[in-house]
Amino acid sequence: DQQVKQNSPSLSVQEGRISILNCDYTNSMFDYFLWYKKYPAEGPTFLISISSIKDKNEDGRFTVFLNKSAKHLSLHIVPSQPGDSAVYFCAAALTGGFKTIFGAGTRLFVKA
Amino acid sequence: NAGVMQNPRHLVRRRGQEARLRCSPMKGHSHVYWYRQLPEEGLKFMVYLQKENIIDESGMPKERFSAEFPKEGPSILRIQQVVRGDSAAYFCASSPSSPPGDEQYFGPGTRLTVT
Repeated sequence: DQQVKQNSPSLSVQEGRISILNCDYTNSMFDYFLWYKKYPAEGPTFLISISSIKDKNEDGRFTVFLNKSAKHLSLHIVPSQPGDSAVYFCAAALTGGFKTIFGAGTRLFVKA
Repeated sequence: NAGVMQNPRHLVRRRGQEARLRCSPMKGHSHVYWYRQLPEEGLKFMVYLQKENIIDESGMPKERFSAEFPKEGPSILRIQQVVRGDSAAYFCASSPSSPPGDEQYFGPGTRLTVT
């Protein structure tokens, strides 16, 4: 029962270009979405979030877009840097619930 | 201000032994979560605890797994009679308030290997 899906296991991008990571969810009750970044041998670190009342949230080079009708969100990184190479997890939660549901992750490679 | 601490970082157990994983949340955080990550998979929610209370354990296997977060000391995830399928990375996270508003701060994980 995968409520949060990241269909691309990996993505390779040239340094300086845009990275777009995608995420789909099935539960229309989710109202809060987060992206985490994970380096090898470390725990995930929070990157950016968005609530369902917005369709865009920006923080520096990172922007998250939410399309509620399509139950889809995406993370844009521009310009991409080699240090962005990591696994990116999409996560979803709902107000009043206690679980945060994570996707399987997308491994981003940014080539110099 | 130390982050979330987990120990041990690596744990090897033989089948049938007990595994005990510890998590110290960030200072000021009273909400603790445990997740399991199997190879090539995402993080699977296991349990959410506040001090002395289990709030949501819907992701915990019904047998052999238990968790606690005592008034004093770290949170403990206990796995009794481990089997090979328990081999995974176990991550603990903490937050200052109840979900979903705040992001969670993760520890470095404990990698459990069952031989």
